[in-house]
Amino acid sequence: AAGVIQSPRHLIKEKRETATLKCYPIPRHDTVYWYQQGPGQDPQFLISFYEKMQSDKGSIPDRFSAQQFSDYHSELNMSSLELGDSALYFCASSLRPETFYNEQFFGPGTRLTVL
Amino acid sequence: GESVGLHLPTLSVQEGDNSIINCAYSNSASDYFIWYKQESGKGPQFIIDIRSNMDKRQGQRVTVLLNKTVKHLSLQIAATQPGDSAVYFCAERENSGTYKYIFGTGTRLKVLA
Repeated sequence: AAGVIQSPRHLIKEKRETATLKCYPIPRHDTVYWYQQGPGQDPQFLISFYEKMQSDKGSIPDRFSAQQFSDYHSELNMSSLELGDSALYFCASSLRPETFYNEQFFGPGTRLTVL
Repeated sequence: GESVGLHLPTLSVQEGDNSIINCAYSNSASDYFIWYKQESGKGPQFIIDIRSNMDKRQGQRVTVLLNKTVKHLSLQIAATQPGDSAVYFCAERENSGTYKYIFGTGTRLKVLA
């Protein structure tokens, strides 16, 4: 079965650079969630999109932005990268959030290292 | 390299025994709860979920118990196997007009042969 696809799987950047992470949800899933997981930490919710509109916002820094496109894929744009941004970034997808059992399916993650 | 669960609470269980992993959630308005399993280098994987109007739900070898009075969630794994070794997270869905998922602190489960 198709799963959530994230690219790239690994990314190394310098401080103050920018990075773009991509997420391709499971076919027919219209909701995308972004999470950040630091070493030894639980996943922290960043932002979500439903039907190409921002649905909810968590602890996403102002330096980060995201959007969902017409094909439902999503991109997380990160600017002025800091050392503390080094983490695993997961994307998850689900059916519309109003569906009660809207289980989220997680992608394999992008490991971002900021040097 | 390993980056998940460096300083997490650890539960060590003998193979074949039952495991119980506990989680305290924060928001009484949360209406949906999920247990995830995360193996090294992988994304969280759904195990079982439960609605707030239920107090117990069973799956294959797993049972989730919900106590809304004390805002406590537990995951029971029967006949624990080596493949169950992973970090386990509970997540609550806050329903405050929009939906937001909050993960609890993970627990590392080590299965001893």
